Amino acid sequence: EVQLLDSGGGLVQPGGSLRLSCAASGFTFTNYAMSWVRQAPGKGLEWVSTISGSAGSTYYADSVKGRFTISRDNSKNTLYLQMNSLRAEDTAVYYCAKVRLRGGIDYWGQGTLVTVSS
Amino acid sequence: DIQMTQSPSSLSASVGDRVTITCRASQGISDYLAWFQQKPGKAPKSLIYAASTLQSGVPSKFSGSGSGTDFTLTISSLQPEDFATYYCQQYNSYPHTFGQGTKLEIK
Repeated sequence: EVQLLDSGGGLVQPGGSLRLSCAASGFTFTNYAMSWVRQAPGKGLEWVSTISGSAGSTYYADSVKGRFTISRDNSKNTLYLQMNSLRAEDTAVYYCAKVRLRGGIDYWGQGTLVTVSS
Repeated sequence: DIQMTQSPSSLSASVGDRVTITCRASQGISDYLAWFQQKPGKAPKSLIYAASTLQSGVPSKFSGSGSGTDFTLTISSLQPEDFATYYCQQYNSYPHTFGQGTKLEIK
């Protein structure tokens, strides 16, 4: 059974940093791309970033490019999102998600809440 | 960037009804289109990928169609557990944009 466990959210001041983690199990982690998707309070879903299985390719939304870094440790079956220079508009629930071999998300984590506020 | 536009933004229907939600891409995306269901306070759930392929475990009351720029999600015989918000997402090219969502409510 595929399981994705998001963690690392919390309250952080504007300009601060936070690192999210997503522990994966139930599939061969290194074979699959992984993504982060966020949802601001009361708003829709926003794709944030994707990393290939080998970590050789990464992609970012313009809204986070240069501030967020996606990475993975395939030896630990863990996905990360390093978030720097956080802004109030980054406040959201962040979901990690597994990507199918031919693309498209098939499984989601439970989400972790990031609140950027002074 | 490819823009995804869903219609309607909200929809009222009764138990037993059949409803259709539309998703339009601002440029052709072949069949690289997925549909998700989200209930309040919960993570999204994957329903359909490749425009018309049902995710494993998803009941056949859900169906998707379309290719290019115009796509539909149809839900037949609505049950109370189907009332939720539905999102489309294109994964043809980055950024992998979502539609704004369609909230399906009980009439």
